[in-house]
Amino acid sequence: GDSVTQMEGPVTLSEEAFLTINCTYTATGYPSLFWYVQYPGEGLQLLLKATKADDKGSNKGFEATYRKETTSFHLEKGSVQVSDSAVYFCALGRGAQKLVFGQGTRLTINP
Amino acid sequence: DAGVIQSPRHEVTEMGQEVTLRCKPISGHNSLFWYRQTMMRGLELLIYFNNNVPIDDSGMPEDRFSAKMPNASFSTLKIQPSEPRDSAVYFCASSPTGTGYEKLFFGSGTQLSVL
Repeated sequence: GDSVTQMEGPVTLSEEAFLTINCTYTATGYPSLFWYVQYPGEGLQLLLKATKADDKGSNKGFEATYRKETTSFHLEKGSVQVSDSAVYFCALGRGAQKLVFGQGTRLTINP
Repeated sequence: DAGVIQSPRHEVTEMGQEVTLRCKPISGHNSLFWYRQTMMRGLELLIYFNNNVPIDDSGMPEDRFSAKMPNASFSTLKIQPSEPRDSAVYFCASSPTGTGYEKLFFGSGTQLSVL
């Protein structure tokens, strides 16, 4: 079945550092791919998405490119801020509005 | 709009007790989802409804778990009897059917602790 694997956290960085959170998936066909963010005490929010191979999703300085050849959707940001501290989830979506989530990666940014 | 509303925010109970979690979806949304989040298993889909009808409950862990959606503005997730391994954060989410995942909105979750 479909599955998503994220790099294990937690990840701790200093402000203005470069961020990469790895995500790979296993699926047949062409699912849509997503990154969700969960701030402390809140529910998940959609951060960005890509619906087909080579699409690049972007939002709030974050980017991720749908790479079918490597079945990956890595999240990147060039310069992180303290306010980016949160848990990040990679997810795969296929029909019927069902999402399969990765384990989540906790990111802490120190000033 | 107030967003997806879940209650209670926190629930502490003893093993063997019945627990009921509640969710009010966003008005006009006709798909509703219950997720469970644990350290070990991450975020798992338990069940989802479309137009108040359960479509897929394959994620419900066992018969102790049941979910209902008696109308378009209310859903419950019940655990009876509860066990310590049920301790988790339970999220409810809703979306308008057919609009894609970008319209999926999550509530703030219920933190359940079973002692």
